[in-house]
Amino acid sequence: GAGVSQSPSNKVTEKGKDVELRCDPISGHTALYWYRQSLGQGLEFLIYFQGNSAPDKSGLPSDRFSAERTGGSVSTLTIQRTQQEDSAVYLCASSQPGTSGGNHNYEQYFGPGTRLTVT
Amino acid sequence: RKEVEQDPGPFNVPEGATVAFNCTYSNSASQSFFWYRQDCRKEPKLLMSVYSSGNEDGRFTAQLNRASQYISLLIRDSKLSDSATYLCVVTGPDTGRRALTFGSGTRLQVQP
Repeated sequence: GAGVSQSPSNKVTEKGKDVELRCDPISGHTALYWYRQSLGQGLEFLIYFQGNSAPDKSGLPSDRFSAERTGGSVSTLTIQRTQQEDSAVYLCASSQPGTSGGNHNYEQYFGPGTRLTVT
Repeated sequence: RKEVEQDPGPFNVPEGATVAFNCTYSNSASQSFFWYRQDCRKEPKLLMSVYSSGNEDGRFTAQLNRASQYISLLIRDSKLSDSATYLCVVTGPDTGRRALTFGSGTRLQVQP
């Protein structure tokens, strides 16, 4: 079936501009996550959505970063006034939390990412 | 101290070799554990969950030792296609916080 999709795949922007990144989760997955991965670094959690609400925004690095999710499906991550240190691959993941407990609830499936370069 | 620590490698092994990766995590209340695989410039892909009883999937065996806060991955009969970075992943103790915490990864290079 269709996996997580993200757009654009690559984005080059000038410092100070705003950018919007889009994520389409796997159909039926209620949980959606944004991460970023800087060059040579590990993955860093940004924000988690359950349905349309975001119970955990603890990873957003500054107030220039925001995200929303509508209709329990598509999510957009917005970065305002981009800085060079925002350059990274932004990855979206989705999962289908169940009620039975255990690892299955946390298995996350990633999209191909958006490679953001701020010049 | 990092929440999840892994030896970055690289591990260079010949085809057919058995190789083991280890990982330690700092939070004793962590609930769920995984190994993900990431190929160069690609997204992470779930390799397998890790259970306290140990679990096996073909050539791959994962073990969890909660007392030592230690996770391992064993790959038998390595293939060239196993070359990738292997990410050790845990979830936190707070069931409201469902984010994954990733180690920095261990790079494996299988050579012909």
